[in-house]
Amino acid sequence: GAGVSQSPSNKVTEKGKDVELRCDPISGHTALYWYRQSLGQGLEFLIYFQGNSAPDKSGLPSDRFSAERTGGSVSTLTIQRTQQEDSAVYLCASSLEEGLGVFYEQYFGPGTRLTVT
Amino acid sequence: LAKTTQPISMDSYEGQEVNITCSHNNIATNDYITWYQQFPSQGPRFIIQGYKTKVTNEVASLFIPADRKSSTLSLPRVSLSDTAVYYCLVGGYYKLSFGAGTTVTVRA
Repeated sequence: GAGVSQSPSNKVTEKGKDVELRCDPISGHTALYWYRQSLGQGLEFLIYFQGNSAPDKSGLPSDRFSAERTGGSVSTLTIQRTQQEDSAVYLCASSLEEGLGVFYEQYFGPGTRLTVT
Repeated sequence: LAKTTQPISMDSYEGQEVNITCSHNNIATNDYITWYQQFPSQGPRFIIQGYKTKVTNEVASLFIPADRKSSTLSLPRVSLSDTAVYYCLVGGYYKLSFGAGTTVTVRA
């Protein structure tokens, strides 16, 4: 079946503009994650959705970042008034339903490479 | 949130066993330990996951001591195609912490 897809694959934007990144998880996966990977760096966890709700948004780097998920499927990560330090690869992953004491492997998408000029 | 520490890089030769250790001193009771592999320009790919003791699958083994403050990923008989970055992930549910990654370079 289809894996996790993300769009766009590449996005170049000017400083100060808003951008919206999209993630389509694997069908049936209720858990969805967003990560950020700066050049040559590890993965920074941003936010997790269980269904349409995010229990903890403290991983988002600033209030310019927001994320939503509708219909328990597609998720969008929005960055307002982009800054050059926002340049990174944004990765989305999905998995089966999570819970305390239950943790499934995550399937990652190919990422969106964001460049802020 | 568990802080994870792993070596920056490791070199090996084809056919050798590679062991990568991840330290996670403040791991929580409900946290799992998961390892991922990442090739350039791709998303990470799941390798193995464990909670305690030893787990083995067709590609790797994961050793977790009783105190769970560290874990060791073992890759048997590596090949050139195993050259990649390996990440340790500690946590579960919505509290996750990735290590900075270990670049493993396999030489002929």
